[in-house]
Amino acid sequence: NAGVMQNPRHLVRRRGQEARLRCSPMKGHSHVYWYRQLPEEGLKFMVYLQKENIIDESGMPKERFSAEFPKEGPSILRIQQVVRGDSAAYFCASSPRPDRGGNIQYFGAGTRLSVL
Amino acid sequence: AQSVTQLDSHVSVSEGTPVLLRCNYSSSYSPSLFWYVQHPNKGLQLLLKYTSAATLVKGINGFEAEFKKSETSFHLTKPSAHMSDAAEYFCVVSDLSGTYKYIFGTGTRLKVLA
Repeated sequence: NAGVMQNPRHLVRRRGQEARLRCSPMKGHSHVYWYRQLPEEGLKFMVYLQKENIIDESGMPKERFSAEFPKEGPSILRIQQVVRGDSAAYFCASSPRPDRGGNIQYFGAGTRLSVL
Repeated sequence: AQSVTQLDSHVSVSEGTPVLLRCNYSSSYSPSLFWYVQHPNKGLQLLLKYTSAATLVKGINGFEAEFKKSETSFHLTKPSAHMSDAAEYFCVVSDLSGTYKYIFGTGTRLKVLA
């Protein structure tokens, strides 16, 4: 059973370009979370999606950032017109069914975005 | 609202000596708490979780943590450090108000000295 797959592992963009980060959850998982880790900081929640639905985007910046999780295919985190402050590691996690019994999230290896 | 505070940003121990990484939590509910480890340029790996069963939780690689409600603490310990334990450790609480998103502490970087 493959784990959470993120690609690319490393992404370099110039200011003003678009960045597209992909996340394929573990087989059987229909819940995806995106987190951002700025240098020397902990991870911060960005968005929570189920198939075809955004459930909670309270951690997403209001502009330039969007996320989707289509019925078929990976979840995509899109950053338009990137700026240097977007440089960070972006982690995706998937979960089979979050509940009080112990919502274990399984993390991918992350995408490290560098904006020149 | 839930939160976690990791009391030490850096901890150094000698190989073979005990490890103690401290975490305090704040939660309106009976919390779900986790410890994750992150090795350099890697993803996060679950070490252990607490979900209101036994207060002493055993995890992988010899780690364990004790949930103490009276102290609102969930400290991570290991009897004997190994060089391979050098990594960043995150204490995490799950937001039980609906989405179960994770709220991370700021992390503790563990250094193991030969």
